[in-house]
Amino acid sequence: EVQLVESGGGLVKPGSSLKLSCVASGFTFSSYGMHWIRQAPKKGLEWIALIYYDSSNKYYADSVKGRFTISRDNSKNTLYLEMNSLRSEDTAMYYCAKFTHGGGYWGQGVMVTVSS
Amino acid sequence: DIQMTQSPSSLPASLGDRVTITCRASQDIGNYLRWFQQKPGKSPRLMIYGATNLAAGVPSRFSGSRSGSDYSLTINSLESEDMAIYYCLQHNEYPYTFGAGTKLELK
Repeated sequence: EVQLVESGGGLVKPGSSLKLSCVASGFTFSSYGMHWIRQAPKKGLEWIALIYYDSSNKYYADSVKGRFTISRDNSKNTLYLEMNSLRSEDTAMYYCAKFTHGGGYWGQGVMVTVSS
Repeated sequence: DIQMTQSPSSLPASLGDRVTITCRASQDIGNYLRWFQQKPGKSPRLMIYGATNLAAGVPSRFSGSRSGSDYSLTINSLESEDMAIYYCLQHNEYPYTFGAGTKLELK
């Protein structure tokens, strides 16, 4: 069974940094690209980043480009999202996700609140 | 970036109804279109992939279709468990983009 478990969220002040983790199990993590997707309170879904299975390519939404960095450690089956220069508009539930041809798997999400 | 214009934003319906939600893509996305269902406090669930293919475990009353740049999710014979927010997602090019969502609720 595919499981994705995010952690590392919390309450931080504007301008600060935070690093999220997503531990994967139930599949060969090193064979799949992985995504981060977020959802602000009472708002819709926003795709924010993708990393290829071998870290060879990374893509970002314009809203986070230059501030957020996606990375992975295949030896630890773990996906990361390093978030710098956080803003109030980054307040959201952050999900890691794995999309395959006919499947879509999401973690339970981790909340990040940016507030002074 | 590709814009996904989703309509309606809210859809009141009765049990047993047939309902349709639509996403229009601002550029060609082929069949790289997925539909997700999200219930309150839960992570999204994949319903349709490749514009028309039913994901595993999804009831057959759900279906997806495409007409040009318009992509539709149809639910036949609505059941209470279908009340949720539905999102489309284009994954033809980066950045991937979601529609704004459709809240399906009981009339």
